[in-house]
Amino acid sequence: DAKTTQPTSMDCAEGRAANLPCNHSTISGNEYVYWYRQIHSQGPQYIIHGLKNNETNEMASLIITEDRKSSTLILPHATLRDTAVYYCIAANAGNNRKLIWGLGTSLAVNP
Amino acid sequence: DGGITQSPKYLFRKEGQNVTLSCEQNLNHDAMYWYRQDPGQGLRLIYYSQIVNDFQKGDIAEGYSVSREKKESFPLTVTSAQKNPTAFYLCASSGGAPLSSYNEQFFGPGTRLTVL
Repeated sequence: DAKTTQPTSMDCAEGRAANLPCNHSTISGNEYVYWYRQIHSQGPQYIIHGLKNNETNEMASLIITEDRKSSTLILPHATLRDTAVYYCIAANAGNNRKLIWGLGTSLAVNP
Repeated sequence: DGGITQSPKYLFRKEGQNVTLSCEQNLNHDAMYWYRQDPGQGLRLIYYSQIVNDFQKGDIAEGYSVSREKKESFPLTVTSAQKNPTAFYLCASSGGAPLSSYNEQFFGPGTRLTVL
């Protein structure tokens, strides 16, 4: 599976959009980009995933560059409850049951 | 409600004792996983099971054992052979078609094990 690189930490003001970047320059053609988040002392929670096209659901939007070497998770109106560690993971559909977790980005949403 | 339960939330054991962590799911998922998380670190895969009566070692299986006798249950035993057992243990499950991209993992609340 491709390695992903994320900033260690980010800050965001409450009510503003939070844009979390992820680099996956070695991603292969059949690998998807998955995003999870983990609120302190809880189990991770799935957010969204995508292959090539941009994706949106009730939680977030995922923007994937045309060359697929990077992506951005967008929380359109961050709230204090969005404070968490956000993990970007690249995995192929055939093996996406075995995810490799990095250190993620610690997002602090400030009032 | 459908979901994954882990018990207990906090567990204390003396060094040298084996301890079994419970994980139950009622999501009808075939696959189940055990992860370990240390402070400030990402999740590391201990064991996973894609189907009943079958399981595979993950990246850090030494000192751990599992069983998968029922679809709903995937208990993890931390043995005395595990050198640094104090950690946060997370159980997860996933379902869906085998090659489906939509194979999100659902996590339990975790068990924080402290070995004294």
